[in-house]
Amino acid sequence: GAVVSQHPSRVICKSGTSVKIECRSLDFQATTMFWYRQFPKQSLMLMATSNEGSKATYEQGVEKDKFLINHASLTLSTLTVTSAHPEDSSFYICSARWRGGRTGELFFGEGSRLTVL
Amino acid sequence: LAKTTQPISMDSYEGQEVNITCSHNNIATNDYITWYQQFPSQGPRFIIQGYKTKVTNEVASLFIPADRKSSTLSLPRVSLSDTAVYYCLVGDIDRDDKIIFGKGTRLHILP
Repeated sequence: GAVVSQHPSRVICKSGTSVKIECRSLDFQATTMFWYRQFPKQSLMLMATSNEGSKATYEQGVEKDKFLINHASLTLSTLTVTSAHPEDSSFYICSARWRGGRTGELFFGEGSRLTVL
Repeated sequence: LAKTTQPISMDSYEGQEVNITCSHNNIATNDYITWYQQFPSQGPRFIIQGYKTKVTNEVASLFIPADRKSSTLSLPRVSLSDTAVYYCLVGDIDRDDKIIFGKGTRLHILP
């Protein structure tokens, strides 16, 4: 099946620094990628929808200046957590949409665990 | 995506068949039903997708009644490794602007 690679899988940073998470679709072109955030024992919360070549659409309550999303190519989207603080510590997951058949499919990355000290 | 309702948690024993039901009263004509499995600290993984009646693959079966307002994921002869959270998504993944997850069902398999 299609593969979505997310990097890094774990990152620890100091408060105030910025962290970039990459999401790559390895064997298909993804015009749309979705970014999620997940707290322990909770469901995935959609943060934003990223369309190639255009600005991301953020969900209500998600600060676009805090969580910068760039989808510059059909195979790469990045999420940058700017000036990270401990409350930004979470598990971040990307998903790429593949449109190739009767129905679309979603492929998820492995997730990135961010710990802000 | 249509709103879904699933049991918060379920327990079962190894070797048993597990059925997880999802309610989706507002399902639209173009919507499909897709189930995902998520292990701790991993991204969700596709299990099965269907539109109506019954779909079966190597890991699960999906039963969808004629009115399509609910669906049941059936896992045959579960093992400890099936302990995970299972999410039911209802919508047109190909077209929907947002893909929003419900709360999912936390399945715990006991020895």
